[in-house]
Amino acid sequence: DVKVTQSSRYLVKRTGEKVFLECVQDMDHENMFWYRQDPGLGLRLIYFSYDVKMKEKGDIPEGYSVSREKKERFSLILESASTNQTSMYLCASRFGTGRNSPLHFGNGTRLTVT
Amino acid sequence: GQQVMQIPQYQHVQEGEDFTTYCNSSTTLSNIQWYKQRPGGHPVFLIQLVKSGEVKKQKRLTFQFGEAKKNSSLHITATQTTDVGTYFCAGPYSSYKLIFGSGTRLLVRP
Repeated sequence: DVKVTQSSRYLVKRTGEKVFLECVQDMDHENMFWYRQDPGLGLRLIYFSYDVKMKEKGDIPEGYSVSREKKERFSLILESASTNQTSMYLCASRFGTGRNSPLHFGNGTRLTVT
Repeated sequence: GQQVMQIPQYQHVQEGEDFTTYCNSSTTLSNIQWYKQRPGGHPVFLIQLVKSGEVKKQKRLTFQFGEAKKNSSLHITATQTTDVGTYFCAGPYSSYKLIFGSGTRLLVRP
């Protein structure tokens, strides 16, 4: 079974802090994604990476950056956390370039910014 | 840009009743995927539909892909409390992106 592991289940940070959310997958997947989930809005794509050191902006990249130095790890960085970034963050991965590949999600990190 | 609309937002049913959620895309999709998220959990892949007019079944769940490949539905026959959760459809656009609908939250009264 594919395992996607997010480093923290719950995080509480202060406004202005730099926040790192880590995600690791163990299936040698090329593609990795960061989504945020908010009630009534579904899952919105923040950033994705189609291979090591490659990244593209999703639909809501403002206030976020990412890093993918190794194939198995994809980090989401909040440069200066704000209260409107309080949300559930979900990491996902999948095989290759095929649009048909399903996503495998981690358990999520619930971030609260105070 | 491409949008994936999903209705209803919520559905509260009596156990044993049927349930349907609908998904509509603003553009033609090459395929559509469905995911289920249990309360407190993460989305889990259920199925993918690729062909125009395709119908697939998983026990009490029936998935359909429209003839124009712009809409899809998930129907659950005789709901059970284990069906509780949020159901998402998702369609690909551009090179690697997958757009999710806003989800339909299903609540089942025992």
